[in-house]
Amino acid sequence: EAEVAQSPRYKITEKSQAVAFWCDPISGHATLYWYRQILGQGPELLVQFQDESVVDDSQLPKDRFSAERLKGVDSTLKIQPAELGDSAMYLCASSDRDRAVKLFFGSGTQLSVL
Amino acid sequence: QKEVEQDPGPLSVPEGAIVSLNCTYSNSAFQYFMWYRQYSRKGPELLMYTYSSGNKEDGRFTAQVDKSSKYISLFIRDSQPSDSATYLCAMSQAAGNKLTFGGGTRVLVKP
Repeated sequence: EAEVAQSPRYKITEKSQAVAFWCDPISGHATLYWYRQILGQGPELLVQFQDESVVDDSQLPKDRFSAERLKGVDSTLKIQPAELGDSAMYLCASSDRDRAVKLFFGSGTQLSVL
Repeated sequence: QKEVEQDPGPLSVPEGAIVSLNCTYSNSAFQYFMWYRQYSRKGPELLMYTYSSGNKEDGRFTAQVDKSSKYISLFIRDSQPSDSATYLCAMSQAAGNKLTFGGGTRVLVKP
């Protein structure tokens, strides 16, 4: 069964350092999402792509976060500089055009900022 | 106040019992209502989704939506230890729009 791939699974970094997360959606899925999930809370959308275009980045802290999906396939989310409050699970999800309601999530990247 | 409220639990039930979960919401524009299951250190997995009001059944799972009360429910019949997980409700205004999640309810099914 096709899955959304994310790497790394775990990342420990010191505050003020730069970190990057990678996501490879299910093949053929046009829509890609990055969500952040703080421990004990539900995921919150950071950015949504349709192909290579940003559809919604209203909740992305643009002073330190950036995201790209250059060829409309895989995507990278970057944080620079990382802050203590960025410690969370970063989840990538994808969906296809015909069944946009059904999101498939990856296993996430657990970030710890020390 | 959050747009979607969900009791965090934990909810502990004996094996075979019915698990009852619910969420309330404030945004009347929500049209799609989903339930996700999330195991520890894993991403959420979609269990069911419902469009607008009504009931939907899938095996041991039943989802109900009451838009007039802004209240949704998920029932799990004949619960199994493998159902132990965090259950997240989520909602969106349209297919493909961002999901707004509740905080999740942790469920523990004891053998």
